[in-house]
Amino acid sequence: QKEVEQNSGPLSVPEGAIASLNCTYSDRGSQSFFWYRQYSGKSPELIMFIYSNGDKEDGRFTAQLNKASQYVSLLIRDSQPSDSATYLCAVKKLTFGTGTRLTIIP
Amino acid sequence: EPEVTQTPSHQVTQMGQEVILRCVPISNHLYFYWYRQILGQKVEFLVSFYNNEISEKSEIFDDQFSVERPDGSNFTLKIRSTKLEDSAMYFCASSLYRDRDNGYTFGSGTRLTVV
Repeated sequence: QKEVEQNSGPLSVPEGAIASLNCTYSDRGSQSFFWYRQYSGKSPELIMFIYSNGDKEDGRFTAQLNKASQYVSLLIRDSQPSDSATYLCAVKKLTFGTGTRLTIIP
Repeated sequence: EPEVTQTPSHQVTQMGQEVILRCVPISNHLYFYWYRQILGQKVEFLVSFYNNEISEKSEIFDDQFSVERPDGSNFTLKIRSTKLEDSAMYFCASSLYRDRDNGYTFGSGTRLTVV
């Protein structure tokens, strides 16, 4: 069983709309969750981290964590073409999902 | 803004040769990591290092791999006898804390090609 699962996409969202990215994890004892953005050929870049149930907002990004359902999501408001990238979900610092490729359509 | 620096950016090596990938973590960070990403695949954890010893390692990190912090600034990954399947992007990362952290930074990576 995969430890961290993400829909690989591609996910296409019109510019200005909300992009919603989801991730589920198998280890119920996991405490820390990270979202990274990775442009093609580049290294992952940390966007958000979340430890507590509920929402955490940072600018246009909101991370949502539901430990009972074992999912974590990332919302991107007012999507911009520069948000087009692969978004990686990670549990602790050790386990990454395969990533969701997001394309923002101008 | 502080950076994690990796050298070289590209390395081509013949199968069976030893390679050393180098990283300079952010200066006040205490935890150091190596990851790899085979082209088109997910980022895979290799090893974490703290207080001059390995704190965790994955199944990938077998006897062919070793890590070292030879001085106060460098953090190296050595692959003793490279195989074709070692071809990947290798990322170094560092953080101030182990898990709860907002300063977790990846280097730009070393693309290793084994021929």
